Amino acid sequence: KAGVTQTPRYLIKTRGQQVTLSCSPISGHRSVSWYQQTPGQGLQFLFEYFSETQRNKGNFPGRFSGRQFSNSRSEMNVSTLELGDSALYLCASSSSMGNTGELFFGEGSRLTVL
Amino acid sequence: AQSVSQHNHHVILSEAASLELGCNYSYGGTVNLFWYVQYPGQHLQLLLKYFSGDPLVKGIKGFEAEFIKSKFSFNLRKPSVQWSDTAEYFCAVMGGGSYIPTFGRGTSLIVHP
Repeated sequence: KAGVTQTPRYLIKTRGQQVTLSCSPISGHRSVSWYQQTPGQGLQFLFEYFSETQRNKGNFPGRFSGRQFSNSRSEMNVSTLELGDSALYLCASSSSMGNTGELFFGEGSRLTVL
Repeated sequence: AQSVSQHNHHVILSEAASLELGCNYSYGGTVNLFWYVQYPGQHLQLLLKYFSGDPLVKGIKGFEAEFIKSKFSFNLRKPSVQWSDTAEYFCAVMGGGSYIPTFGRGTSLIVHP
């Protein structure tokens, strides 16, 4: 069974630009969550999608947005990039069965903002 | 709001030393508890989990964790660490009516051969 796939793995942007990150969940998983990982801050929850609907949202500004497609693939977008947006962005999928909270993570997209 | 505290941010050990990483969370009620590990250059993966039952949980690679409800804790232990255990460890808690796990800030473990 293929794992969670994130693209691109690395990218460099400049302030003010926007970026789109993609995530393909494990086959059959309908929930996709996004986290921002930075040194010392751990994982900060961005949002979670289930069946194309945003079910939960973390405390990030509106520059951070996402969506989910009918095949459960998800994208997140960050507009008007700031230096502080440099981070590893992690996507995680989970089975809709039981809502146990167990997540399966991708390798992440490392964003550097110059 | 839910919060998860990992007391040790950086731990350095020699091989064969014992390991205990602390994790405390802020709310009562039913919780699901997790430890994830991130080896250098790899994705986060589940080390062990607790949903219910025996509060002593065994995971992969010789790790175990004990859920102590009265202390709101879920500490991770390993009797004898190896160089290959060098990684970042994250505690996560789901509960309090939310099904989104809250993660701690992580503990960076370095094991010297």
